[in-house]
Amino acid sequence: EDQVTQSPEALRLQEGESSSLNCSYTVSGLRGLFWYRQDPGKGPEFLFTLYSAGEEKEKERLKATLTKKESFLHITAPKPEDSATYLCAVQGTGNQFYFGTGTSLTVIP
Amino acid sequence: EPEVTQTPSHQVTQMGQEVILRCVPISNHLYFYWYRQILGQKVEFLVSFYNNEISEKSEIFDDQFSVERPDGSNFTLKIRSTKLEDSAMYFCASSRWTGEVQYFGPGTRLTVT
Repeated sequence: EDQVTQSPEALRLQEGESSSLNCSYTVSGLRGLFWYRQDPGKGPEFLFTLYSAGEEKEKERLKATLTKKESFLHITAPKPEDSATYLCAVQGTGNQFYFGTGTSLTVIP
Repeated sequence: EPEVTQTPSHQVTQMGQEVILRCVPISNHLYFYWYRQILGQKVEFLVSFYNNEISEKSEIFDDQFSVERPDGSNFTLKIRSTKLEDSAMYFCASSRWTGEVQYFGPGTRLTVT
């Protein structure tokens, strides 16, 4: 069965304190791994797509990496506006995305 | 920048009533989806739609649910007889093609009393 596990569930960082979020997955025939940001009461907002092991994508303070079993979202020198829930989703051979439960990030000024 | 829109933002209904949630996907996208998120839980897939028919559905998407593309721009989710456990955020999403990024709308919060 296709599964996605994210850790930690919650993370509190001081402004400027870098860290990483983990997404472990089990999927038949990975077609893509997707990172989203979700603010309270809003829809998921697309951040990155990764398609193959070894791939890396970067945007401002965020960098996403992919191996055959997991993905990391690295946050460098975070700011309070980076506070949100970060969701990981995978797509296998079907159309649906399988989402993890997310990591709730709080960045303290 | 094109975006997925959804209406209404919040719908309150009584148990047993029918509701229709509406979505306008991004205009050049061919695949459309509905997901739901119960408060505090993960985003769950309901159904995908392509070429005017359902291409995939989950176990959640039972006979109480239906989807329709009534015209060239709208995509709807109908729940025939709502239950308390249908209370959730419902997200519409669209993608140009399967395997590509799914862009999500802002959601409709459905409250069943």
